[in-house]
Amino acid sequence: EIVLTQSPGTLSLSPGERATLSCRTSQSVSSSFLAWYQQKPGQAPRLLIFGASSRATGIPDRFSGSGSGTDFTLTISRLEPEDFAVYYCQHYGTSPFTFGPGTKVDIK
Amino acid sequence: QVQLQESGPGLVKPSETLSLTCTVSGGSISSYYWSWIRQPAGKGLEWIGRIFATGSTNYSPSLQSRVTMSVDTSKNQFSLKLNSVTAADTAVYFCARVRLGGFDAFDIWGQGTMVTVSS
Repeated sequence: EIVLTQSPGTLSLSPGERATLSCRTSQSVSSSFLAWYQQKPGQAPRLLIFGASSRATGIPDRFSGSGSGTDFTLTISRLEPEDFAVYYCQHYGTSPFTFGPGTKVDIK
Repeated sequence: QVQLQESGPGLVKPSETLSLTCTVSGGSISSYYWSWIRQPAGKGLEWIGRIFATGSTNYSPSLQSRVTMSVDTSKNQFSLKLNSVTAADTAVYFCARVRLGGFDAFDIWGQGTMVTVSS
């Protein structure tokens, strides 16, 4: 089973600032089969990024993903008020399709 | 647009079987993989398993001995059964669509349904 580690656990930032979230996998993820999701309280997760760097339909371009192998990054270029949430990475290259523990982005 | 809706009992007794159904509306269940994911209160996401429209399944090793998934294409529904439940199975259960093929992200999610295991 591939284990995902996310850092930091919590990121305290102000609107307009840049957010950089890290996801590391215990084994190389084939063909960049890595996704990022945003989850707000009481809501289902929303797909932001798939294939490590492709934005899902309707996702603003302030969200970008990068990385390969075992190190991946989600960047939010300028935080908007609606971006304060928990972010999860997930691999889907091999079963089981595990998620990271999440990074909470909160308002400083 | 495609929407998913989970349904089923919100309360299940210990040692009994948790049964949930996900209804797909606005599109066909055919040609896609579908998954169940759960989330205990205040915790992270756990993938339970996936099923293709033909009925082919793939389960998480940690739950494989207790999980059964099925699909009913005539009703555009797929289902989850988890037997011998304990308090550790208390969680919000989500159904989700796999974007394309068997190895892809989950692009459409249901709103989730809370299931509590308690006597």
